[in-house]
Amino acid sequence: GAGVSQSPSNKVTEKGKDVELRCDPISGHTALYWYRQSLGQGLEFLIYFQGNSAPDKSGLPSDRFSAERTGGSVSTLTIQRTQQEDSAVYLCASSYGGANQPQHFGDGTRLSIL
Amino acid sequence: KNEVEQSPQNLTAQEGEFITINCSYSVGISALHWLQQHPGGGIVSLFMLSSGKKKHGRLIATINIQEKHSSLHITASHPRDSAVYICAARNYGGSQGNLIFGKGTKLSVKP
Repeated sequence: GAGVSQSPSNKVTEKGKDVELRCDPISGHTALYWYRQSLGQGLEFLIYFQGNSAPDKSGLPSDRFSAERTGGSVSTLTIQRTQQEDSAVYLCASSYGGANQPQHFGDGTRLSIL
Repeated sequence: KNEVEQSPQNLTAQEGEFITINCSYSVGISALHWLQQHPGGGIVSLFMLSSGKKKHGRLIATINIQEKHSSLHITASHPRDSAVYICAARNYGGSQGNLIFGKGTKLSVKP
């Protein structure tokens, strides 16, 4: 079946521009996660959505970052006024609800800020 | 000091060897994940455990809560096991998405 789909797969933009990254989770998955992997750095948590509950935004690095999840399905991560340090691979994952469900990862969006 | 430490950072093995990758953490956790990141970048969740041991095929994951340590073992290693293996801890009391990641162990298995 279809996995987690992310778009675009690559995005190059100029410093100061806004970008939107999209994540289409696996159908039926109520939990959705955004992570980021910077060159030479490990993965870091950004934000977590679970059903209709308030999202855990504690990993967002600044107020330039925001995310929403419409209708409990598709999610968009928005970065405003991009900076060069925002360059990274942004990964989305989804899972069924419940603490013991494995996460299924998308292939990521590689974001490059010039 | 990172809250989640992995060792070794890099590991080269011959096909057939038994592999062990270690993960130590300094925070109280409710679960620990092992992930595999392929050379092309795709990530697969291997295990999530909070106690004891889990096995899937040639992969075995163990965790010792008292010692704050987990290991990932690969038996009869194969070149297709070459990947980066990442452990991630879920902070006790944190949301299930709020993971603290280790920096990964890059494994290369030679034929």
